[in-house]
Amino acid sequence: AQTVTQSQPEMSVQEAETVTLSCTYDTSESDYYLFWYKQPPSRQMILVIRQEAYKQQNATENRFSVNFQKAAKSFSLKISDSQLGDAAMYFCASKIQGAQKLVFGQGTRLTINP
Amino acid sequence: DAGVIQSPRHEVTEMGQEVTLRCKPISGHDYLFWYRQTMMRGLELLIYFNNNVPIDDSGMPEDRFSAKMPNASFSTLKIQPSEPRDSAVYFCASSRQGAQPQHFGDGTRLSIL
Repeated sequence: AQTVTQSQPEMSVQEAETVTLSCTYDTSESDYYLFWYKQPPSRQMILVIRQEAYKQQNATENRFSVNFQKAAKSFSLKISDSQLGDAAMYFCASKIQGAQKLVFGQGTRLTINP
Repeated sequence: DAGVIQSPRHEVTEMGQEVTLRCKPISGHDYLFWYRQTMMRGLELLIYFNNNVPIDDSGMPEDRFSAKMPNASFSTLKIQPSEPRDSAVYFCASSRQGAQPQHFGDGTRLSIL
């Protein structure tokens, strides 16, 4: 069975600084996908970034990047130059190749201090 | 392109009433998912469809919950009779075939009094 664990219920960072959100997962499959979703107070679930397990290169999307450590089953999200609009709940999720079910972590609430 | 559209955005009703939540997926997406989000249990997959056919409904909590997808552009999640413990945010999401990510609607906040 897949599991996703986010060990940090809350994090805070000063505006313009860098913050890293942790995520670990467990799966017996070799082909899978990992995602980070952002849920601001407006409640919408927004895809931030995705990573294919077969790719060694870490995914990046502008100020967002991941540190994917396959052997350690770790998938952390780094947000550079934090902005007030980054304040949200962040969810890590995984999906097995060939399956459609997304398994979510418990979420990390990120606060940006001005 | 329009995103996933859910209605209503908020629903408040009394215990025992029937509740119907609606979803319009993104055009061209083959998969449609219904999730429930609560503080206690986080995000849970209730059911998903592929090409309008229910594939996995193992997350549906009990017989009071039912979901249909009569065509590629519309799905409903119905609760009858509703109970206070059904209060949650219900999300609909859709995706294309394969490894494509799921795109979520804005959710329906359901409150059962």
